[in-house]
Amino acid sequence: GQNIDQPTEMTATEGAIVQINCTYQTSGFNGLFWYQQHAGEAPTFLSYNVLDGLEEKGRFSSFLSRSKGYSYLLLKELQMKDSASYLCAVPSGGYNKLIFGAGTRLAVHP
Amino acid sequence: DTAVSQTPKYLVTQMGNDKSIKCEQNLGHDTMYWYKQDSKKFLKIMFSYNNKELIINETVPNRFSPKSPDKAHLNLHINSLELGDSAVYFCASTETSGSYNEQFFGPGTRLTVL
Repeated sequence: GQNIDQPTEMTATEGAIVQINCTYQTSGFNGLFWYQQHAGEAPTFLSYNVLDGLEEKGRFSSFLSRSKGYSYLLLKELQMKDSASYLCAVPSGGYNKLIFGAGTRLAVHP
Repeated sequence: DTAVSQTPKYLVTQMGNDKSIKCEQNLGHDTMYWYKQDSKKFLKIMFSYNNKELIINETVPNRFSPKSPDKAHLNLHINSLELGDSAVYFCASTETSGSYNEQFFGPGTRLTVL
């Protein structure tokens, strides 16, 4: 089966850098997704990693280590609008069935 | 030009009633999903259809019955609503040909059972 762990809550200061970790255990690995969800809104796609290493996309970067079952999302130059939940998810089986972690709620303070 | 739309956005109803939620996507995707997000914000898959065929059916009470009239639409009917059904229900879609692709989520339907 699948098991995904993320910290429940994090706080950070505007302009700073924050790293949100995700560890996973899967029977077979088909990549890892990060989604952002603002309060009261739908999740939106941030990144998909299938190979080891860091992928940068503007202020957001995502890292994967398949051997360690570990990923992180790195947010730079934090803005107030980055306050949201960040969901780690892994595909399970076919048809892109996603298993989500419980999410990390990030609060950015001035 | 909403990509994935759901109706209604809010639904307040009494225990024991039957209700439906509708979802439409105009992205040309072949696969659609229903997720339930509970009060602890845990997002869990319920059902998935690929080209109108049911392909994922998680451990969900049979009071929940999905239906896909065509690959652009996926509806969810819930019979005999219970207090524990109160949650936000999200529809999502993706194209499953090839590699794993991002899922696009609708705005959600907030169901409150009184």
